[in-house]
Amino acid sequence: EAGVTQFPSHSVIEKGQTVTLRCDPISGHDNLYWYRRVMGKEIKFLLHFVKESKQDESGMPNNRFLAERTGGTYSTLKVQPAELEDSGVYFCASSQGWAGEAFFGQGTRLTVV
Amino acid sequence: RKEVEQDPGPFNVPEGATVAFNCTYSNSASQSFFWYRQDCRKEPKLLMSVYSSGNEDGRFTAQLNRASQYISLLIRDSKLSDSATYLCAALSGGSYIPTFGRGTSLIVHP
Repeated sequence: EAGVTQFPSHSVIEKGQTVTLRCDPISGHDNLYWYRRVMGKEIKFLLHFVKESKQDESGMPNNRFLAERTGGTYSTLKVQPAELEDSGVYFCASSQGWAGEAFFGQGTRLTVV
Repeated sequence: RKEVEQDPGPFNVPEGATVAFNCTYSNSASQSFFWYRQDCRKEPKLLMSVYSSGNEDGRFTAQLNRASQYISLLIRDSKLSDSATYLCAALSGGSYIPTFGRGTSLIVHP
């Protein structure tokens, strides 16, 4: 069974540019989460989808971040325009039901220069 | 106060040693807990779930103390391959969102 996959694995962009991260959850997992880890800090929640609906986006830093989940399948996270402080590793995770045993993708390491 | 707190370490132990980490949580409504293992530059991987008093899987034992609001992870007979960061996560009843601690770094040396 395929796990959670994320693309790209690395991205280096200049301040002011736009970047779109993609996540393909485990098939059948209705819950999809985006997290971010800034160096030396804990993994912080960004938002949660249940199928195609945003259940909770309280962790989104600001309106430069836009997440979508088309048809309840894959999800994208767009950062526009990117700022230096957006650098970090963006993890996507998915889970089945409410139990919260989330499975993580390998992450996208974003560097804004 | 952070919702989930962990001693970042590093814990530096010899092979074969027994080591234990604690993770404290502030939300008394938390009902489910998880230990994840994260290797350098890799994604967190679920190691163990804790729903009641504890769980055991081989050399790994997790225990939950609701009165003191902490969970622990005990690793017996440490292996070099156990070197990693161990993340604790807590899930409140009715919430779908695990909250993570910063992780505890473990280094097992020969």
